[in-house]
Amino acid sequence: DQQVKQNSPSLSVQEGRISILNCDYTNSMFDYFLWYKKYPAEGPTFLISISSIKDKNEDGRFTVFLNKSAKHLSLHIVPSQPGDSAVYFCAASAYQTGGGNKLTFGTGTQLKVEL
Amino acid sequence: ETGVTQSPTHLIKTRGQQVTLRCSSQSGHNTVSWYQQALGQGPQFIFQYYREEENGRGNFPPRFSGLQFPNYSSELNVNALELDDSALYLCASSLPGTGNSPLHFGNGTRLTVT
Repeated sequence: DQQVKQNSPSLSVQEGRISILNCDYTNSMFDYFLWYKKYPAEGPTFLISISSIKDKNEDGRFTVFLNKSAKHLSLHIVPSQPGDSAVYFCAASAYQTGGGNKLTFGTGTQLKVEL
Repeated sequence: ETGVTQSPTHLIKTRGQQVTLRCSSQSGHNTVSWYQQALGQGPQFIFQYYREEENGRGNFPPRFSGLQFPNYSSELNVNALELDDSALYLCASSLPGTGNSPLHFGNGTRLTVT
């Protein structure tokens, strides 16, 4: 059961334009959503997160939007830069008894920013 | 600030063997999690350790086990290796808490089982 889905395996965008990466989830118990970026031969790097009580969070060129009723979130990158080319993972977290923060990841979207 | 370091970076084992992967957490982080990333998939949660105790486990069989040491470093042990265990194994450290405490990942250990 894939609780976090990224239906676009790849996305190609021109430098300077907006990149929009999408993510859908099924578990209404998720209370935090996070985006990670991964370059080849490196571990995922945290980008930005959003609490389920908010609908938008912005950090520089990165903005995450959350639509709880649709169980959908998106990551906007404006303007896109060649260094943004990487695999982007959407992840979600639900409160666990006993604490801990297990993340459930999507399958990733390969973003390519072209000159 | 020292990040998360994992060793070895690559490993080749034969089916049925046992393997130990190691992780040093980021300075100041006392919670360590392990994830398995198969080719073309997102990372999957194996388990998490806090104060040397297992604190949450994903859908992995008991032949996947772990340890956390007093200095917060950690080991992942896999017994009776199977071909499907071939994957990138990622260690992540964090402060204790819920989802608003982002995980900081190491670069992973690439395990190949033949």
